Amino acid sequence: DQQVKQNSPSLSVQEGRISILNCDYTNSMFDYFLWYKKYPAEGPTFLISISSIKDKNEDGRFTVFLNKSAKHLSLHIVPSQPGDSAVYFCAASAQFGNEKLTFGTGTRLTIIP
Amino acid sequence: EPEVTQTPSHQVTQMGQEVILRCVPISNHLYFYWYRQILGQKVEFLVSFYNNEISEKSEIFDDQFSVERPDGSNFTLKIRSTKLEDSAMYFCASRPNRSAKNIQYFGAGTRLSVL
Repeated sequence: DQQVKQNSPSLSVQEGRISILNCDYTNSMFDYFLWYKKYPAEGPTFLISISSIKDKNEDGRFTVFLNKSAKHLSLHIVPSQPGDSAVYFCAASAQFGNEKLTFGTGTRLTIIP
Repeated sequence: EPEVTQTPSHQVTQMGQEVILRCVPISNHLYFYWYRQILGQKVEFLVSFYNNEISEKSEIFDDQFSVERPDGSNFTLKIRSTKLEDSAMYFCASRPNRSAKNIQYFGAGTRLSVL
C-alpha cells in the first residue's frame, strides 16, 4: 500500500546549490502534507508543511510546493548546507482519517562540501 | 524546547516476552501516537489515542498490542508476547489539539530487538 512515494532513495548535492526532494501520493483524501528530517538515532523532526488549499509554503531556506492535480509535492532547500545531510520523509494526512500520518520511504540527502 | 521523551532507547528481549515501551509526550499535548519503523522500511502508523481511549489503530495493532496512559504524563505501548517480526524502532508522537495543524512531534524512538 504505497499511498505516499518517494522515488529517489538518495540524492547528493553540492553545498550552496539547490536540493529538490520529490514526493508523490495517490490518496485524494490527503489534505495536509509535511516534511520531516531524520538524523541517525533520532526521531523525525518536523521541517515544514502545507495545506491542500495552498500551492506553496516557504520558511527560510525551505520551500514546499504542492501540485494537487499531479498529486505531487516537492521540497526545495536553497542554499544547501552540510547540516542538511539527513533522511527526509514526506508525510500526508487526511482530515477525516483521524490525522494519522502516512509516510514515504524517505530520501537520503547528502550535501557535498 | 519541550520534547517527547522515550525510554528505554534500546530494549532487547526474548521472543514471547512482554515489553513495555514508555513515552512522555509534550506536557500540554492531547493527541498521542505510536509509529514503528522496521529496518529499511517506511515509518508506519500503529495507533492514535485521545481522551483516554484509542481513536484509530492500524492492522498491525492486533491483540498483542495495547496502549495506556496510566497517569497524566506517561503514554505506554505494551507488546504482550513479542515475535521476531516486532523488532523495529518504535516512535511515540504527540500533537497539541485538534484545531492545530496536524504537526506531530516525535521522540527519539526505542529500538526493540527480539531474539
